[in-house]
Amino acid sequence: SQTIHQWPATLVQPVGSPLSLECTVEGTSNPNLYWYRQAAGRGLQLLFYSVGIGQISSEVPQNLSASRPQDRQFILSSKKLLLSDSGFYLCAWSVLLRGNTEAFFGQGTRLTVV
Amino acid sequence: DAKTTQPPSMDCAEGRAANLPCNHSTISGNEYVYWYRQIHSQGPQYIIHGLKNNETNEMASLIITEDRKSSTLILPHATLRDTAVYYCIVRVPNMRFGAGTRLTVKP
Repeated sequence: SQTIHQWPATLVQPVGSPLSLECTVEGTSNPNLYWYRQAAGRGLQLLFYSVGIGQISSEVPQNLSASRPQDRQFILSSKKLLLSDSGFYLCAWSVLLRGNTEAFFGQGTRLTVV
Repeated sequence: DAKTTQPPSMDCAEGRAANLPCNHSTISGNEYVYWYRQIHSQGPQYIIHGLKNNETNEMASLIITEDRKSSTLILPHATLRDTAVYYCIVRVPNMRFGAGTRLTVKP
C-alpha cells in the first residue's frame, strides 16, 4: 500500500536559521508531489508541486525553495527563516489511477519561527 | 484553472444530513471533482471524487449536476466527529484549495 512520510512533526527554529523538511512516498512510482502551508486559522496555500524528478513549479514567490532529488522524495528548504514562515506544512502526493488522480496528505510539520 | 466557491460556514444537527455545496462553473470536461476534509491540526483527508455520475462510498455521497457546474457533498447522518473544514477542488495536478466550508455539527 502507498504511504507518505513527513518529518519532523514539530519544529521550533530561530529567525534567520535554515530549514529542511523532507517528505518521502512509498508504494508508488512517478507520483506528483506537493508542499502546502497553512497559517493559523487559514486555508491551504499551495507552495510547490512537482510532476517528476527535478521538475518543480513554484506557486508563490518567497524565501522557500523545493527540490526533488529522487522520484519519491520531496524537500522543502529555506536559507533564512522569517517569522512569517511559521505555520503548518503539509506534503501530499497524487498518482494517476484508472483515469483520474487520487491524492493523499502527510500528517504535517508544525513550524514555529521564534 | 477551474475555481471553486463554497460557503464559509455551515451548521448541522447531529444525526441529520449535512449537505455541503460547491460551485465550479469553469470546470472542463475531463476534470474531476474532489472533496477533502481537514480536522483541526491534521492533514486533509480524502472523502470522495466524481466526474459526472453521482458517487457514494462509506463516508459520503457526491451529487454532481448534469451541467457539472456545481456539486453537493452529503454526509447522511452527521456526527460530532464530522466537524471539520471541507474542501472542494477540481484542478489537478496543481491542486489549489480554496477556503473551504467550516462545518460544525451540533448536539
